[in-house]
Amino acid sequence: GNSVTQMEGPVTLSEEAFLTINCTYTATGYPSLFWYVQYPGEGLQLLLKATKADDKGSNKGFEATYRKETTSFHLEKGSVQVSDSAVYFCALRATGANSKLTFGKGITLSVRP
Amino acid sequence: NAGVTQTPKFRILKIGQSMTLQCTQDMNHNYMYWYRQDPGMGLKLIYYSVGAGITDKGEVPNGYNVSRSTTEDFPLRLELAAPSQTSVYFCASSYEGRNNEKLFFGSGTQLSVL
Repeated sequence: GNSVTQMEGPVTLSEEAFLTINCTYTATGYPSLFWYVQYPGEGLQLLLKATKADDKGSNKGFEATYRKETTSFHLEKGSVQVSDSAVYFCALRATGANSKLTFGKGITLSVRP
Repeated sequence: NAGVTQTPKFRILKIGQSMTLQCTQDMNHNYMYWYRQDPGMGLKLIYYSVGAGITDKGEVPNGYNVSRSTTEDFPLRLELAAPSQTSVYFCASSYEGRNNEKLFFGSGTQLSVL
């Protein structure tokens, strides 16, 4: 079946550090890939997405590239801020009618001043 | 601009009690979902609905019931609470149109069954 694997956390960085959060997936066909973010006390919200191989999703300084050859969708940001402290979820949606989102387990990012 | 509203935010239940988690959205979305999030785990889909009067099971439906009498509301019912249902519950909605795969989530309900 479909699955999403995220790197183990939590991750703690200093402000302005470079961020990489790894995500790999297992799915048949060509799924759409997503990163969702959950800020403290809030629900998840879509951060970025990519729908086909080599697409790059970007938003709020975050980027992720859909790599079909390595089945990966790693999240990166060049310079993190304290306000980026949150839980980050990688997710996929398989092709086909009525397919639903499959989420990874999430990783907590803490950015210290 | 409320979006998806869930109530209550926190609840403690005794084993065997029942309760309903409420979810309302004001975006006229046709699709609605219930997820649970266990510590260190990803979100698991409990039930979903593609429109008023239509519901279907997700990955982990056992012990839960839902109804969708209106477009706006999608309550989740726990009939006989068990400790295994201790979790954080999220309601979400989306408009399932072409190229629109964005889910809007509520802020969650933290449920403890003791």
